[in-house]
Parts: sequence; C-alpha cells; structure tokens
Amino acid sequence: AQSVSQHNHHVILSEAASLELGCNYSYGGTVNLFWYVQYPGQHLQLLLKYFSGDPLVKGIKGFEAEFIKSKFSFNLRKPSVQWSDTAEYFCAVNAGIKAAGNKLTFGGGTRVLVKP
Amino acid sequence: SAVISQKPSRDICQRGTSLTIQCQVDSQVTMMFWYRQQPGQSLTLIATANQGSEATYESGFVIDKFPISRPNLTFSTLTVSNMSPEDSSIYLCSVAGGVSGNTIYFGEGSWLTVV
Repeated sequence: AQSVSQHNHHVILSEAASLELGCNYSYGGTVNLFWYVQYPGQHLQLLLKYFSGDPLVKGIKGFEAEFIKSKFSFNLRKPSVQWSDTAEYFCAVNAGIKAAGNKLTFGGGTRVLVKP
Repeated sequence: SAVISQKPSRDICQRGTSLTIQCQVDSQVTMMFWYRQQPGQSLTLIATANQGSEATYESGFVIDKFPISRPNLTFSTLTVSNMSPEDSSIYLCSVAGGVSGNTIYFGEGSWLTVV
C-alpha cells in the first residue's frame, strides 16, 4: 500500500522568505506525484504534477517541485512567498499505471501561514 | 482540465437523516472518485465509481453507509446515510483526466454539518 508523509504540519514565515515543504512516499513501483493547494474556504486546486521526464517540475504561481527517486521525495519549493500563499498544501501520490486505478493517497497536509 | 460541479455546496443536516450529493462533470470520464475531508484532516478516498459497474469501496467505508450511483459518464451521486455528527466533513468528487488520464481533478466539495 502507498503512504505519503509530509514532515511539517504547520509552517509560519514572512513574506519574501523561501518555502520548502517536504513530502516522502512509500511505494515500490512507478508513481505519479502531485501537489495540491487549498486556500482558506476554497476547494482543492492542482499546483503541479510529475509523471515522468525532467524531475524538476514547475507549476502555477511560482511553485516548483523536485522528484528525487532515490529518496522517494517530492519536495515543494517557492523562492519568495507572498501573503496570498497562505493555504494548506497537500502532497499526493498514485500508482503510475492505469491498472492501479488512479487512486490518490494524500499526505496529512501542511498549513502555511505567511505573515505580511 | 475537467470542470466539476457539486450540489449542494453546503448543508446542515439533522442526525439520522440521509443526504445525496450530486457530481456533474463537463466531459465524459471513465473514473470518478469520492473523497472525504474531515475537519482539520487530509483527504481520504471513500470509493471509486466507474460507469457500468459497482463502486469499489476503500477499507472502512461500506455501501450501506455511502451508496453511490454512476448512471452515465458525466454524473455520479454519493449518499451519506443515517448521518451522525462524525459524518460532518467535506465530501469531494474527483475525476481522472488530462492527456494521460492520470491527473486527478477535484470539485469544490460539499460541506456537510450534522447536528
């Protein structure tokens, strides 16, 4: 079975600071990796995804994530955060084969608070 | 990306009643999923609903409590039966889409509060 761990439950930082959120997964096969964001009172939105190819993936709103296969990690980064990045961030994984059914396994989420 | 609409967006329900949540997608999709997000927690998959077959439930979820219908390729319903306060959650419909069919998109969720 797949599992996903997000190391930080809460992160507080100031505007313009750099952000890195950790995500590790456990699964022996090929995986698809996702980061979703949930702004306060809003629904889940896809930030970025990795299926194959370049392990450094760029997403929306200046976010990027790096897939390191040897570490089973898919950390999310943003060089300079804004107050509007205050949200909860979820890492998710599904098996990289359609036969597995596309089911997503989510990490516990990281709540990010950016102070103006 | 797929556009997913859910109804109701919010509701307050009485203990012991049942509520059906509707999910409409703007394109035909094979796989639809229902997730639950309890207050302050992450998302948990309830079941996978493919058109033309019975829904597949994850461990801890049963059909009697969460019956699902999938009458066609653009629509599904999830019923939360005999509700208790522990069922207060956001219920999210999602679909597999994108070029490869591996990107999962989510609806806006249905926020249910059981009193």
